[in-house]
Amino acid sequence: NAGVTQTPKFRVLKTGQSMTLLCAQDMNHEYMYWYRQDPGMGLRLIHYSVGEGTTAKGEVPDGYNVSRLKKQNFLLGLESAAPSQTSVYFCASSDRDGSYEQYFGPGTRLTVT
Amino acid sequence: DAKTTQPNSMESNEEEPVHLPCNHSTISGTDYIHWYRQLPSQGPEYVIHGLTSNVNNRMASLAIAEDRKSSTLILHRATLRDAAVYYCILYYSNFGNEKLTFGTGTRLTIIP
Repeated sequence: NAGVTQTPKFRVLKTGQSMTLLCAQDMNHEYMYWYRQDPGMGLRLIHYSVGEGTTAKGEVPDGYNVSRLKKQNFLLGLESAAPSQTSVYFCASSDRDGSYEQYFGPGTRLTVT
Repeated sequence: DAKTTQPNSMESNEEEPVHLPCNHSTISGTDYIHWYRQLPSQGPEYVIHGLTSNVNNRMASLAIAEDRKSSTLILHRATLRDAAVYYCILYYSNFGNEKLTFGTGTRLTIIP
């Protein structure tokens, strides 16, 4: 049982490049989330999904897109990376809503130059 | 919007209890109170959560004020492995409309 895994662990992009971050969970969880964490800060919710085929905007969605084609996977896309998107990105999943705990992945450290 | 306020840092001696406070005076009636902790270079780890009543689990206890405007995470006997940043989070959930409010966290230092 791997829990929540994220790919890749590290990435350096040039401004304007695109990339996709992959999150996978093997716990059959309905809810999945993408967060970003800037240095010395707490987490901020980018997008989330309450089930396969659904996505919704969180607190800071601009510049990102997401897809949840399969229940176990949640993809985060950056179409045209900007230096302001340099951050650590965490994925999480939970059985359902706020009454359940979230399980976090190990994070992806992204640098945009 | 709901907001949480936590002290930036706290220290505690090893093997003593630790009380980590969180103020959330604008909490709504349906906000869950979650606590997570984060070790350096790791993802956050769930500690405990509750809605109105005090909660206990193997890691900690959560004491929620009667008016729900504040809560306290209690580590009963701190160890060096408890040194981390602790986040108090409000989680509002309404039929797929999710909103999470993270505080800036309390950095807990354990003194051997």
